[in-house]
Amino acid sequence: LAKTTQPISMDSYEGQEVNITCSHNNIATNDYITWYQQFPSQGPRFIIQGYKTKVTNEVASLFIPADRKSSTLSLPRVSLSDTAVYYCLVGDGDTGRRALTFGSGTRLQVQP
Amino acid sequence: DTGVSQNPRHKITKRGQNVTFRCDPISEHNRLYWYRQTLGQGPEFLTYFQNEAQLEKSRLLSDRFSAERPKGSFSTLEIQRTEQGDSAMYLCASSFPRAGVSGYTFGSGTRLTVV
Repeated sequence: LAKTTQPISMDSYEGQEVNITCSHNNIATNDYITWYQQFPSQGPRFIIQGYKTKVTNEVASLFIPADRKSSTLSLPRVSLSDTAVYYCLVGDGDTGRRALTFGSGTRLQVQP
Repeated sequence: DTGVSQNPRHKITKRGQNVTFRCDPISEHNRLYWYRQTLGQGPEFLTYFQNEAQLEKSRLLSDRFSAERPKGSFSTLEIQRTEQGDSAMYLCASSFPRAGVSGYTFGSGTRLTVV
């Protein structure tokens, strides 16, 4: 499974846009890129998934360059409630047969 | 359906005791996963079921750990002769076929403290 590298932590202020970049140099052709969010004492929660170019939903945007060796999760106008750990994962997104492999994630702290 | 349910939410046990956790997945999900998470780390995969069949086990799953999913619905994870190193959050997730990674839904976990 492709390994991912992301910053350990990031700080931001309310109302700012936050971009978290993840490196996945060994991503395979069949791999999708998925981001999860985790609050303390809760399980991870799916945010967004993509294969290439750009994906946007009501929560975030995901930018994936043509070589797919990295991806950027963009959170528009963060609030205090966006303080959480964000995980970037790559894996077989088509069938869900394979278990997810989590790294240590990026701890985002949003301040007022 | 209210999602993946895990019980108990918290468990404190003495070293050497056995503990059992339960996971009730989303009803139409046929795949069920167990993960373990220690403080400051991401979840680590333990084992995976498709229906009642246990298809994959991590090397983290020592002989003291056993998981079952007898009727392809709920699952139990038992830890025998608990050790202090077993203290962690145990997470359960479920998914349905061809949903992609986005189909994974996690429960809120069971936090185990071994004293």
